[in-house]
Amino acid sequence: SQQGEEDPQALSIQEGENATMNCSYKTSINNLQWYRQNSGRGLVHLILIRSNEREKHSGRLRVTLDTSKKSSSLLITASRAADTASYFCATASNTGNQFYFGTGTSLTVIP
Amino acid sequence: EAQVTQNPRYLITVTGKKLTVTCSQNMNHEYMSWYRQDPGLGLRQIYYSMNVEVTDKGDVPEGYKVSRKEKRNFPLILESPSPNQTSLYFCASSLAGNEQYFGPGTRLTVT
Repeated sequence: SQQGEEDPQALSIQEGENATMNCSYKTSINNLQWYRQNSGRGLVHLILIRSNEREKHSGRLRVTLDTSKKSSSLLITASRAADTASYFCATASNTGNQFYFGTGTSLTVIP
Repeated sequence: EAQVTQNPRYLITVTGKKLTVTCSQNMNHEYMSWYRQDPGLGLRQIYYSMNVEVTDKGDVPEGYKVSRKEKRNFPLILESPSPNQTSLYFCASSLAGNEQYFGPGTRLTVT
């Protein structure tokens, strides 16, 4: 399987703290995307970083990509209770046709 | 409103009884895909379609069929469902290789 892995599997923090989750993958990629999923619902796209980019920001989100280590990290700054969800990374194959999702990080932000 | 719709949302069926889960998008996206989500395994891609009449296997295609006769629709067909196909299914669409828009999910139970 070419499925990626997120680390940690679960993370619990206080509101206002930063949350960092990591993603490792196995093959060369076209881009890497991060998604959020609230319990049992559809996934919502957060941010996309292309293979030739190293860092990207969107609001309170910061994503880094290290293609030499085949890893990415997602940082959520100043977390809120509403950020409580599962977070998944997904890699797009070189052709952009196939997607491989990680196993997810469950984030709990305590008010 | 831009959206991906799936029907039904919940389905309980018996082994061997053919079923179809419909998926429709109103964003004129060329790319559509089906995933299944199982605890501890994240999302795994079943089939994808780059455009009308163009479909290809994802990571876990066994036991599933798809068709893409119109750009907006991408039904998932289980000809002879088995209990190991009990899962949460998501349809998604996108402009090729970019952020995916997910449907709300279909929870299927096969007894």
